[in-house]
Amino acid sequence: DAGVTQSPTHLIKTRGQQVTLRCSPKSGHDTVSWYQQALGQGPQFIFQYYEEEERQRGNFPDRFSGHQFPNYSSELNVNALLLGDSALYLCASSFWDPNEKLFFGSGTQLSVL
Amino acid sequence: AQSVTQLDSHVSVSEGTPVLLRCNYSSSYSPSLFWYVQHPNKGLQLLLKYTSAATLVKGINGFEAEFKKSETSFHLTKPSAHMSDAAEYFCVVTTTPTGNQFYFGTGTSLTVIP
Repeated sequence: DAGVTQSPTHLIKTRGQQVTLRCSPKSGHDTVSWYQQALGQGPQFIFQYYEEEERQRGNFPDRFSGHQFPNYSSELNVNALLLGDSALYLCASSFWDPNEKLFFGSGTQLSVL
Repeated sequence: AQSVTQLDSHVSVSEGTPVLLRCNYSSSYSPSLFWYVQHPNKGLQLLLKYTSAATLVKGINGFEAEFKKSETSFHLTKPSAHMSDAAEYFCVVTTTPTGNQFYFGTGTSLTVIP
């Protein structure tokens, strides 16, 4: 049973570019959440998708957008990249249930130069 | 509003001695609380979870945590540290009425000295 898989593992972009990160949830899970983890910090919630809709959103600008597909996989898009967007981006999957535990992928390390 | 405060950014213990990682939480609702561990270059792994059942929660690898509502604390302990316990530990709270938005602490880095 595959866990949460993310691609790519590493990515280097320049300021102003756009990036797309991908996530496949753990088998059976229908909810995907995205987190940003800056160096030396705890992960911060970006948004959550369920039934192909954004259900909750953290304190991130509109440059951060996402999508969930019918097979529950998800994408995170970031436009107009800034140096401060450099971070580890974590995808987590779960069942749609309040307080249900999250299963995390290993993340995508994004570097913006 | 929900938040967690991890009281120590770094903890060092000798192998075989007890581990104590401290966490205080703030919540507008009855909280669910978690401890996650992050080893270098690996994803976050759930250690244990509290959801209003027993206040003493046992997790994997010999870790346990006690929920104390009066102190708004959820400290993580282990009787005897092992070298493989060296990692970053995160205390997490979630209390949203719908969905499961997790609020992470800033983490505690555990060093185990041989």
